[in-house]
Formats: sequence, structure tokens, C-alpha cells
Amino acid sequence: QQQVKQSPQSLIVQKGGISIINCAYENTAFDYFPWYQQFPGKGPALLIAIRPDVSEKKEGRFTISFNKSAKQFSLHIMDSQPGDSATYFCAASKAGGSEKLVFGKGTKLTVNP
Amino acid sequence: KAGVTQTPRYLIKTRGQQVTLSCSPISGHRSVSWYQQTPGQGLQFLFEYFSETQRNKGNFPGRFSGRQFSNSRSEMNVSTLELGDSALYLCASSPGDRGPDTQYFGPGTRLTVL
Repeated sequence: QQQVKQSPQSLIVQKGGISIINCAYENTAFDYFPWYQQFPGKGPALLIAIRPDVSEKKEGRFTISFNKSAKQFSLHIMDSQPGDSATYFCAASKAGGSEKLVFGKGTKLTVNP
Repeated sequence: KAGVTQTPRYLIKTRGQQVTLSCSPISGHRSVSWYQQTPGQGLQFLFEYFSETQRNKGNFPGRFSGRQFSNSRSEMNVSTLELGDSALYLCASSPGDRGPDTQYFGPGTRLTVL
């Protein structure tokens, strides 16, 4: 059972465009939703994270939008750059003393110059 | 602070062998989690250790085991290797005592089973 569904699988955007990646979750006990960025040969690195008490969080060119009632959250990358080309993973975890993250399958983003 | 380190970075084994991977967390972090990453299944949680105790476990067979030492360093062991165990094994550390928190990942160990 896939608890976090991520789409699209791949995304091609022109430089300067907006990249949008969507995730949906099933478990209402999730209360922490991070996004990770992974470059080839590297481990995932935290990009931005949100908790369900806010509907939007922005850090630089990266914004998370969160819809608790729909159990969906998305990552928006404004003014996409070739250096943003990477694989992006959404994830979720729940309170209760464990750091276990449930990941989406990932989105491979390519930003063309 | 130094980041999460994993050794070795690459490993080639044959079916039936066993392997031990090592992870050194960020100084002060007491939680270490292990993940398996494959093209087909993505990132899957193996287990988490906090203060030398396994705090959570994923849906992997008993061939996968781990432990954590008093200095928070962790090892995972895979016995009787199968071809399907070929993957990137990632460990991640976090303080572990503040609820769900930022996990910092190491570069991973690439295991190839022949």
C-alpha cells in the first residue's frame, strides 16, 4: 500500500518557468511533510518542510502548499533553473516518537536552459 | 559540523554472503534511520535506532538487522544476500527527541549483489 502518492514521475520545464510537483497522502496521522532533493550520487537533502497547521510555506524560490482536507500537498519551484535539475521526493511522518519517513516515488525534474 | 558519513561507499558481494554497513551520524544526533533506495521501489524505511534501541521497523525480512552503539554510530547487516538486495542504502540522522524532525542523509552505500 503506497501511503504517499507523488506525481508526475518526470517533469521538463524551461528555465524561468514554474515547476509543480504534487503529493497525496492517506494516513491522517501524518503531521510532518518534508520535501527532499536528490542529485545523482548524493543522498537526499531537505529542501523545505511543512506541518499541517499552516497552508503554505515559502523559502526563496520554493513554496509548499498544503491542503489538509484534501490530504494533498505540493511543491512549487519558481523561476526554475538548470541547477534545479534533480529528483524530488515528498515524504510524510507522524508524531509518536519515531523518525520514520514514508516517501513518494520521486519526480525527476529537468530544467532546460 | 561534519555531516552524516557512511562506509564503505561501494560494495560488491555475491549471493549468499553477508554484509555490514556503517553510519556515523551528525554529532549530537541520537536517532539513526536506515533506508533502501531502488529504482523500482524508491526509498523504503528499514529501521530506526534511538539511544541504542530499535524504535521502529519497516517491512523487511529478518535478514536485515541493525544496531546502534553508545556513541550513536550505527551498523546494518544483511545476511544471506539475494540479487534483489542490490540497492543504495542510506542512513539519516536527527536529534530524535523533538518529534518528527529534519533528517540529514548520508551519501549512501551502493551495494551490488552478483
